[in-house]
Amino acid sequence: GESVGLHLPTLSVQEGDNSIINCAYSNSASDYFIWYKQESGKGPQFIIDIRSNMDKRQGQRVTVLLNKTVKHLSLQIAATQPGDSAVYFCAENKGGFKTIFGAGTRLFVKA
Amino acid sequence: NAGVTQTPKFQVLKTGQSMTLQCAQDMNHNSMYWYRQDPGMGLRLIYYSASEGTTDKGEVPNGYNVSRLNKREFSLRLESAAPSQTSVYFCASTRLAGGPDTQYFGPGTRLTVL
Repeated sequence: GESVGLHLPTLSVQEGDNSIINCAYSNSASDYFIWYKQESGKGPQFIIDIRSNMDKRQGQRVTVLLNKTVKHLSLQIAATQPGDSAVYFCAENKGGFKTIFGAGTRLFVKA
Repeated sequence: NAGVTQTPKFQVLKTGQSMTLQCAQDMNHNSMYWYRQDPGMGLRLIYYSASEGTTDKGEVPNGYNVSRLNKREFSLRLESAAPSQTSVYFCASTRLAGGPDTQYFGPGTRLTVL
């Protein structure tokens, strides 16, 4: 069935290092992928998105990579800061109104 | 712009009680959504409204009703609350009426049903 999963439930990184959060998806028909950040007690916040006709997209300190061959999505955060500590969700959409969200990976940044 | 706002922030109900969760957006977005978030699970879609005047069921609609009051407001009603409805509820909106688009989320309502 459809699912968006994450390889690791938690990730701990040293401040200043790069972070990589991974995500697997199962629906090859999905053509739009999104990463959200959720801080404690708040709603999810859009970080970056990518469409299936792209392999890579860069934002400010963040990069999303899409590997359609193995149905894998990753979020790279450069020079991780304490303010990056949060839960990160990947999500997929194959058109229409229904977006499927993963359970999330909690990122801890050590000072 | 306040973005997406939700009220109340917290609520405790007894089994069988009813309540309405309110959501409003000031971004002139066309589509609005209600999700629930449970520990260890991704957000699950309860209902959505593609545009003013329309509503449709999502993945987990049982026990809920919705009203798209106008373009700005989309409410979620629990007619007879059950402990299984203890969750955090998020409202979201998208600019486009159809197709994938960035969702903007409210701060959430934390509901406990005893």
